[in-house]
Amino acid sequence: GAVVSQHPSWVICKSGTSVKIECRSLDFQATTMFWYRQFPKQSLMLMATSNEGSKATYEQGVEKDKFLINHASLTLSTLTVTSAHPEDSSFYICSASSASSYNEQFFGPGTRLTVL
Amino acid sequence: AQKVTQAQTEISVVEKEDVTLDCVYETRDTTYYLFWYKQPPSGELVFLIRRNSFDEQNEISGRYSWNFQKSTSSFNFTITASQVVDSAVYFCALSEAGRDDKIIFGKGTRLHILP
Repeated sequence: GAVVSQHPSWVICKSGTSVKIECRSLDFQATTMFWYRQFPKQSLMLMATSNEGSKATYEQGVEKDKFLINHASLTLSTLTVTSAHPEDSSFYICSASSASSYNEQFFGPGTRLTVL
Repeated sequence: AQKVTQAQTEISVVEKEDVTLDCVYETRDTTYYLFWYKQPPSGELVFLIRRNSFDEQNEISGRYSWNFQKSTSSFNFTITASQVVDSAVYFCALSEAGRDDKIIFGKGTRLHILP
């Protein structure tokens, strides 16, 4: 099956620093990647959708200048949380889909971010 | 607008009992997909099933079964002979065709299987 990895699996950073999270599709070309955020005991909320080579589309209420998304290749998307604050502490999950897997997303294992 | 409702926030059952997780959805599209995912304590989402709106056949996979009823906009999930390893959060989700593959998740049902 299709495999999606995320790195790092967890990260702790100081308030005000920036953190980059990578999402890779290991055995397929991901034309679209999605970034979700999940606060403790809550559901997954879609943050943004990115297509390879184009700007990400952000959901309402998500600050695009704070959550920078880059989808430079068909196997890699990155999410950078800029000037992180404690309220950004969350579980970030990416998923990927390809043109041949219509409406089927393959999820990464998630990255737990803690901002001190 | 699309919406997924999982009315059961938390359920506890004793091992070997059957348990049904409810899911009700709203959509204006005639073509859509429904999903169930399992999220164990590790956090990684485990895909369980995807159903398209034109296939109302019930599905059985081992101890898992799904009942899709378009008339009531429901897609319920039943675990028979539950086991402790089934303890997790279960999410029902919906994706409308032509909406850039976006998946909308319900709030999840936390299932505790007691030994």
